[in-house]
Amino acid sequence: GAVVSQHPSRVICKSGTSVKIECRSLDFQATTMFWYRQFPKKSLMLMATSNEGSKATYEQGVEKDKFLINHASLTLSTLTVTSAHPEDSSFYICSARDPLGSRVGGYTFGSGTRLTVV
Amino acid sequence: SQQGEEDPQALSIQEGENATMNCSYKTSINNLQWYRQNSGRGLVHLILIRSNEREKHSGRLRVTLDTSKKSSSLLITASRAADTASYFCATDTGNQFYFGTGTSLTVIP
Repeated sequence: GAVVSQHPSRVICKSGTSVKIECRSLDFQATTMFWYRQFPKKSLMLMATSNEGSKATYEQGVEKDKFLINHASLTLSTLTVTSAHPEDSSFYICSARDPLGSRVGGYTFGSGTRLTVV
Repeated sequence: SQQGEEDPQALSIQEGENATMNCSYKTSINNLQWYRQNSGRGLVHLILIRSNEREKHSGRLRVTLDTSKKSSSLLITASRAADTASYFCATDTGNQFYFGTGTSLTVIP
C-alpha cells in the first residue's frame, strides 16, 4: 500500500513552453503533498507544500508564478513549470503524507521526473 | 532555509570500515529519518527515530538523536561496496519535511 505515482519520468521541452508533472497517490488519500527539486549531486530542496483544496505554501525563494501547484483532489497534485528555461532543468520529486502511516516514516515518494529544457 | 546540514559532504572508506555521518537541523521535530539515494535513482527509506528516542538500530545501521543539540548521526558498520550512495537526513516538523544537504559515501572494495 501507499504508492505514489509520478508522471512523466522524463520530459524534454523547448524553452518557453510549459510542462506539467503529475503526482498521484494510488491507494490512499493524501491531504498533503510536497514538491522537491534536486540538482545533480545535491540534496532535495523543498519547493512547496500542497494542501488539497487550498493554495500551496511556497518556500522562500521559489517563484509561485513559475512553479504552479494545484492539488484539486485528495489523490492528485500537479506541478506546472511555466515558460521553462534551461535553468529549470532538474530532477523534480513529489511526496505524499500517508495519514495512516502504512509506510515507515509516513511519507511516500514518487520516482521523480527528470526535466530537460533545451 | 529550513534545510538541515550534514557532514561530511563526502566520505571515502575501505570496505569493512565503519561510516559515520552527522546531521544538524534548526527547528523542533516530530521525528528524523534517514534516506539513501543511489546516483540518479529514487529515495530509499532507511530508518526513523522519533523525537523522544535517543538511539535506534536496524541491521548494520545505528542512529542517534540529540534533540538538545538538534543533531543526529548515522553509523553504518562493516561497510560494503554496495553501501556506496548518497545519504540524507530528513526532519518531519509535522507540517513540512526537509532534507539535509547529504553525505556522499564511497566504499572502496
